Amino acid sequence: DAKTTQPPSMDCAEGRAANLPCNHSTISGNEYVYWYRQIHSQGPQYIIHGLKNNETNEMASLIITEDRKSSTLILPHATLRDTAVYYCIAGYSSASKIIFGSGTRLSIRP
Amino acid sequence: DAGITQSPRHKVTETGTPVTLRCHQTENHRYMYWYRQDPGHGLRLIHYSYGVKDTDKGEVSDGYSVSRSKTEDFLLTLESATSSQTSVYFCAIRDRARDSPLHFGNGTRLTVT
Repeated sequence: DAKTTQPPSMDCAEGRAANLPCNHSTISGNEYVYWYRQIHSQGPQYIIHGLKNNETNEMASLIITEDRKSSTLILPHATLRDTAVYYCIAGYSSASKIIFGSGTRLSIRP
Repeated sequence: DAGITQSPRHKVTETGTPVTLRCHQTENHRYMYWYRQDPGHGLRLIHYSYGVKDTDKGEVSDGYSVSRSKTEDFLLTLESATSSQTSVYFCAIRDRARDSPLHFGNGTRLTVT
């Protein structure tokens, strides 16, 4: 599994785009990047994942650099309900351990 | 939401007693995981399973054992609970496809007094 590095905390104004970075410089060519978030004490929620191309779904967009050493999760119009801890995980094989880092605590200010 | 049920949702037990937490899935997913989360900390992997009767240790497996006798159930047992095992325990499942994401249950809050 590739090691990931995320800033411990960020904040964003409500209605603006929240851009959360993640470094995963040791990722292998066939390993995916995944993003999850955990709101308060709930179970973590899957957001999005990608391999090489940028991805978008109803929750967010994922931008992966061409060298795949970093990625950015974009919440296009942040709301107060997006306040959570966001975890980036890079690469795991089918039967491997899936280890979470410390994540980024995102605060949305009114 | 993925069909994952954790039971019990809350439990208070005394030091030295055995405790079993259950994770039940209705998705027929191959992989199942147990994590714990303590205040101010992230998720730490305890054990995981990659099939019936196939399990392996995670980051913090000491004091815990698991069993998976059928696809839908993954049990986590604390043989002799200690206060340091007071935590919130999350179960997660994942399908067999290479890029399948994790889906989590709602957690079990365990207090060991």
